[in-house]
Amino acid sequence: EAAVTQSPRNKVAVTGGKVTLSCNQTNNHNNMYWYRQDTGHGLRLIHYSYGAGSTEKGDIPDGYKASRPSQENFSLILELATPSQTSVYFCASGDAYSSYEQYFGPGTRLTVL
Amino acid sequence: TQTVSQSDAHVTVFEGDSVELRCNYSYGGSIYLSWYIQHHGRGLQFLLKYYSGNPVVQGVNGFEAEFSKSDSSFHLRKASVHWSDSAVYFCAASMNTGYQNFYFGKGTSLTVIP
Repeated sequence: EAAVTQSPRNKVAVTGGKVTLSCNQTNNHNNMYWYRQDTGHGLRLIHYSYGAGSTEKGDIPDGYKASRPSQENFSLILELATPSQTSVYFCASGDAYSSYEQYFGPGTRLTVL
Repeated sequence: TQTVSQSDAHVTVFEGDSVELRCNYSYGGSIYLSWYIQHHGRGLQFLLKYYSGNPVVQGVNGFEAEFSKSDSSFHLRKASVHWSDSAVYFCAASMNTGYQNFYFGKGTSLTVIP
């Protein structure tokens, strides 16, 4: 059974609209991460969290917010979506002491028109 | 600053061939290194990791990687590939065990011809 799930799997949004991407993990990991994957850039870290109630900025946080209401859930929020945010988004979880071993969800393909 | 580079964007081999996917990093201190595999349309899956000890580490499905401090490398190898090994492979590096400073390379797409 999948330990990291994401919803929705595909999303089409309009420019200026609000988008929320959700992630749930059953690994009981403290750390959770949001990445985006674009051709030519690999994976880039947007936000991460080390526990319920905490969020931290990653390498490319502009235009994104994150929310970690519980150990299991970590959301990525685009308040005003732009076409440049069209991408595939991955959520991951990891143990607090081994960030180099992360467990990824299946990804969300977001298209902003 | 820490960077991870994968020099080959694409590698094509025949089934049964051996393969080496290259990864180099730039950081002078202690480093954690990992390899991940991504099949088409899927999330990344952890393959193996290295921090210290034996520089050759074994992963799943016959993969292994060798760390070289002198070359700043962590190349991934497999002695005999199968068509199902076709995927994108990512090298990743972290300076510590924390939740930050975890950098991925841009990936190498491996195609195995049956």
